[in-house]
Amino acid sequence: GQNIDQPTEMTATEGAIVQINCTYQTSGFNGLFWYQQHAGEAPTFLSYNVLDGLEEKGRFSSFLSRSKGYSYLLLKELQMKDSASYLCAVPHAGNNRKLIWGLGTSLAVNP
Amino acid sequence: DTAVSQTPKYLVTQMGNDKSIKCEQNLGHDTMYWYKQDSKKFLKIMFSYNNKELIINETVPNRFSPKSPDKAHLNLHINSLELGDSAVYFCASNPGSGGISGELFFGEGSRLTVL
Repeated sequence: GQNIDQPTEMTATEGAIVQINCTYQTSGFNGLFWYQQHAGEAPTFLSYNVLDGLEEKGRFSSFLSRSKGYSYLLLKELQMKDSASYLCAVPHAGNNRKLIWGLGTSLAVNP
Repeated sequence: DTAVSQTPKYLVTQMGNDKSIKCEQNLGHDTMYWYKQDSKKFLKIMFSYNNKELIINETVPNRFSPKSPDKAHLNLHINSLELGDSAVYFCASNPGSGGISGELFFGEGSRLTVL
């Protein structure tokens, strides 16, 4: 089967750096997505990794290691508005028309 | 112009009623989805249509019936509403046909409360 694990909650301080981890088990791999979801809003796309390594996009970077079944989202220079849930997702191995979602990591950024 | 729009945004209704949620996307995408997000924030796929054809039908009570009159629209009708149906329902679209291609574009969500 497929499974995604993420920490449930994290807390960080404004201006700091935080790393949100995601581990996945899947029989076939077709990339990994990170989404951000603010309370009461829809998920919005952050990144998509299909090859190993770090991809940087402004204050947010995403890393993938396919051999370890591991990804992380790195948020730098944290701002209060980064308080949100961060969702990791991978395409279903048997049906890549759908995504398997993690439960999300709720990040609280404190002043 | 909102890329994926759903109506209504809020819906409060009594148990046993029938209600519908509508979704439209103006992105020209081939595939549309309905997701349910419960109070624990887990995103659960319910249905997907590709160019009006049902391609994903997860284990969902048959009180839920999707309808896609054309590839830009995907509606969700729910019969005999139950308390457990209370959740946020998200519509999403994706340009892929044979598989997910790039990101999912989500609508703003429809918060359903069943009393």
